Amino acid sequence: DQQVKQNSPSLSVQEGRISILNCDYTNSMFDYFLWYKKYPAEGPTFLISISSIKDKNEDGRFTVFLNKSAKHLSLHIVPSQPGDSAVYFCAARTNTGNQFYFGTGTSLTVIP
Amino acid sequence: KAGVTQTPRYLIKTRGQQVTLSCSPISGHRSVSWYQQTPGQGLQFLFEYFSETQRNKGNFPGRFSGRQFSNSRSEMNVSTLELGDSALYLCASSLTGHTNTGELFFGEGSRLTVL
Repeated sequence: DQQVKQNSPSLSVQEGRISILNCDYTNSMFDYFLWYKKYPAEGPTFLISISSIKDKNEDGRFTVFLNKSAKHLSLHIVPSQPGDSAVYFCAARTNTGNQFYFGTGTSLTVIP
Repeated sequence: KAGVTQTPRYLIKTRGQQVTLSCSPISGHRSVSWYQQTPGQGLQFLFEYFSETQRNKGNFPGRFSGRQFSNSRSEMNVSTLELGDSALYLCASSLTGHTNTGELFFGEGSRLTVL
């Protein structure tokens, strides 16, 4: 039962343009949402998070939007850079513990 | 500050064997979680340990087990290996186990291949 879904396995974007990565979830008990970035042969690294009481969080070029009514999360990267090319995982945590549910990842390629 | 360290990085086993993977969390971190990453499945939660106690467990068979020591180091064991156990096993640590940021710090993983 995949409670966090990333329906786009891959995304290609031109350098300088906006990258939008999407994530859907089913569990209304999730209280925290996160995005992780993963390069090959490395572990995932934390990118940005958002609490369920907010609808937007911004950190430099990265902005995460949360639409609770639609159970939808998105990550915007503006402007996209070649170094952003990686696999991005969406994750969510319930308010009852430290168990995180991850999506299957979206491979982003930023074309120079 | 040293990051999360996992050993071994790569290993090859045959069906029926067992394997033990090790994880040293960031100094001061008391929560250690384990995840399995396979193509198309993303990261699947295995279990989480906090202060030597298993607090959460994912939907994996009993062949998958783990433990945490008093120094917060953790091991996971997989017995009677199956071909489908081939995966990247990731360990992650966090400070208290339920931080406001929800941030997990991951190691580089142990790549297990079962032949």
